Amino acid sequence: EAGVTQFPSHSVIEKGQTVTLRCDPISGHDNLYWYRRVMGKEIKFLLHFVKESKQDESGMPNNRFLAERTGGTYSTLKVQPAELEDSGVYFCASAPWTSSYNEQFFGPGTRLTVL
Amino acid sequence: DAKTTQPTSMDCAEGRAANLPCNHSTISGNEYVYWYRQIHSQGPQYIIHGLKNNETNEMASLIITEDRKSSTLILPHATLRDTAVYYCIVRSPTNYNQGGKLIFGQGTELSVKP
Repeated sequence: EAGVTQFPSHSVIEKGQTVTLRCDPISGHDNLYWYRRVMGKEIKFLLHFVKESKQDESGMPNNRFLAERTGGTYSTLKVQPAELEDSGVYFCASAPWTSSYNEQFFGPGTRLTVL
Repeated sequence: DAKTTQPTSMDCAEGRAANLPCNHSTISGNEYVYWYRQIHSQGPQYIIHGLKNNETNEMASLIITEDRKSSTLILPHATLRDTAVYYCIVRSPTNYNQGGKLIFGQGTELSVKP
């Protein structure tokens, strides 16, 4: 079974540009999460989808970040316009819908560098 | 903020048991203790979780104290591939309303040496 995949693996853009990150969860997983680690900091939660609905957006840093999950399958995270402090590694994770306590399966991450 | 405290780093000799401690003195009655690890350049990986009983799987064992204020992750025979940052996370039950997000702390950087 394929794991969580993320594209691209690396992205280098200039300040002010737009970048879109993509996450393909494990097939059949209703839950999809975005996290990020910025330089020297801890891994931080960004948001959580259940199917196509945003369940929790409490970690989104500001309105330059837009996440979508149309159709409840893959998800995209757009940063527009990108700022220097957005540099870091963006992780996606998915989990099946079970009663509770389910583990999250993480992708390898997208390393974003904003110059 | 993370509800756990862990040592910043630890060393372990290859083939020996690695015992990683975690304090979670403010844990609530229905909160589970989860352990994840992140090997360099990979995404975090689930290891094990428990509520109050000790747990064992193919990767590790989890020992939770009776008062649930601390726990220890045990890798019984550490290998070089176990070198990673290990995160102890306290987590409320996942349900449709709560989401089950993971709150990572700084973790413990475990170095397994030959």
